[in-house]
Amino acid sequence: EVQLVESGGGLVQPGGSVRLSCEASGFTFSSYWMHWVRQAPGKGLVWVSRINSDGSITSYADSVKGRFTISRDNAKNTLYLQMNSLRAEDTAVYYCARKGPGSGTFDPWGQGTLVTVSS
Amino acid sequence: EIVLTQSPGTLSLSPGERATLSCRASQSVSGSYLAWYQQKPGQAPRLLIYGASSRATGIPDRFSGSGSGTDFTLTISRLEPEDFAVYYCQQFDSSSLYTFGQGTKLEIK
Repeated sequence: EVQLVESGGGLVQPGGSVRLSCEASGFTFSSYWMHWVRQAPGKGLVWVSRINSDGSITSYADSVKGRFTISRDNAKNTLYLQMNSLRAEDTAVYYCARKGPGSGTFDPWGQGTLVTVSS
Repeated sequence: EIVLTQSPGTLSLSPGERATLSCRASQSVSGSYLAWYQQKPGQAPRLLIYGASSRATGIPDRFSGSGSGTDFTLTISRLEPEDFAVYYCQQFDSSSLYTFGQGTKLEIK
């Protein structure tokens, strides 16, 4: 069974940092592009970042560019999101997702981890 | 950036009825890059439709997608109790990358 399990969320002060992890199982992790998508409380879905299968290509939403860094360790089947200079507006559930069928889709998704940025 | 606008914001229907959800793009989207997701409270989104009209693995055939250009539709032919949820459309293009619509909440009437 394909599974993605996020961890690392919690309460962080404005200006602080946190690193999210997403452990993958049930598929050949090193063969897939991976993504982070976030959802602020009561709001819609927003794509955050992507990384290609070997980690050589990354992309970011403008809202996080220069503050967030996506990376992966294929030996550990784990995806990461390093989040620096956090702001209140970064408060959200962060989902990792695998590239899905067709083009430009996300499937499956992890259960998400909540990051709350507050003093 | 391509903006996706979903309508209606909320749709109130009864089990057994047909649901029609709309997704309109601010500029033309390749049909290959239009997807639909279902999200239930407290759960992660689930891919329903990709390539505008292809059902994802395990998705019942009461779900269907159609459309092209700037207008896309998700149809649920006969609503089951488990179908009441929020639905998002999503597109991909090389400039704005990935964007989602704001969602349509399908609620029980």
